[in-house]
Parts: sequence; C-alpha cells; structure tokens
Amino acid sequence: NAGVTQTPKFQVLKTGQSMTLQCAQDMNHEYMSWYRQDPGMGLRLIHYSVGAGITDQGEVPNGYNVSRSTTEDFPLRLLSAAPSQTSVYFCASSYTGQANEQFFGPGTRLTVL
Amino acid sequence: DQQVKQNSPSLSVQEGRISILNCDYTNSMFDYFLWYKKYPAEGPTFLISISSIKDKNEDGRFTVFLNKSAKHLSLHIVPSQPGDSAVYFCAASGMNRDDKIIFGKGTRLHILP
Repeated sequence: NAGVTQTPKFQVLKTGQSMTLQCAQDMNHEYMSWYRQDPGMGLRLIHYSVGAGITDQGEVPNGYNVSRSTTEDFPLRLLSAAPSQTSVYFCASSYTGQANEQFFGPGTRLTVL
Repeated sequence: DQQVKQNSPSLSVQEGRISILNCDYTNSMFDYFLWYKKYPAEGPTFLISISSIKDKNEDGRFTVFLNKSAKHLSLHIVPSQPGDSAVYFCAASGMNRDDKIIFGKGTRLHILP
C-alpha cells in the first residue's frame, strides 16, 4: 500500500494563479481532510470529507475548494492564490472522523509570490 | 478561540528521563484525544489516543493521562530517547461521525544527550 500520497511536493505560484493539490489514498478510508501548517499555528483544518460526495468546511476554508467524487481522491483547489496561502499542506485519511488514527501524506510546500 | 491548547512551544529533556507534554482543551463535547508526532519535512504520525471514558492509556514507553474535570491531558514518555526529538501535536474530536478533529499548536521536544 502506498498510503496517502500528495503531489506536488513543492510548488511556487504567482498571486492570482490557480492550482490543484492532489491527494490520494489506497486504504479505502471514508474520512479525508486537508490541513495547513504555519509556523506557530499548528495544524489547521481547511476542509474535510466523511465520504464520497460529502464535504464540509473546517477552521480556515476561505480561498479553497474541495470535491470528493471517489473514495480514493480528495483534491484541494486554490482558486486565486494569495501570499497568505503560503504554507505546508497536509492531506490525511482515516476510517472515521474520530478516534481512529489519521494517516498523513508527506505534505506539499506551497509558496505564493 | 483555541479549543486545544499546548502552552509550551518547546521542552528539553535529558535522555533517559521522563518527558511530559501537556495539553488543555476548552470544549466539553470532545470525546477523543490523540497525540501525533512530527519530524521535519514529514507528515505527522499517530502516536496514541484516549477515549473520554478512560483516564489512562499506555502503549510501550508512551502513556496518555486524561483529567476530564480539569480538561487536561498529558503525554508521558519514559524513558526518553534521542529519536523522540520531534514536534508533538495534541488533537481532540467529538464522537459523531461528522465531527472535526482539532489540533493544538504543537510542542517541540528536544532530547539532550
């Protein structure tokens, strides 16, 4: 099993550009989520999904869109990148939203100029 | 408003001694608590969890204690080893399927030789 994979590992964008961060898992997990990690801020939840076709907002959803058309994939879209979105992004998955351990991907380091 | 607080940004402990990492929470609806460990340039990995119906859970060198009345939990690592040097995140969630998992800001643990 590959676990949770994220692409790309690094990305540099200009302000206003759009892009999609990819996340896939091969563990048949229902729950998937996106976090951003900023210095001194810990991990903040952006969006999450409890199953295919179901998504919901986390703590910091503004500027991001998600969709969950399959169990395996949970892409995160930046519609118009801003410097405030410079961060490290982590995707995670688990069998349910609570109790069970989340498996994290290796992260995507995004810089917006 | 921080629902999960880790008030110590960093902690240094001598190798072989006990490391105690603390976490406080404000939301009395939280029912599950988890600890994650993160090395630089990697995604967090699950360490140990505890349900609100318990006050202690042990896994090898790692023990988590929960004090519901004080809304406080702690992670004990005994004995501390060099490989324990990492950032530790406390996380909490409710018991419903749709509940979000909220992370603290993390504590950086340094194990001194």
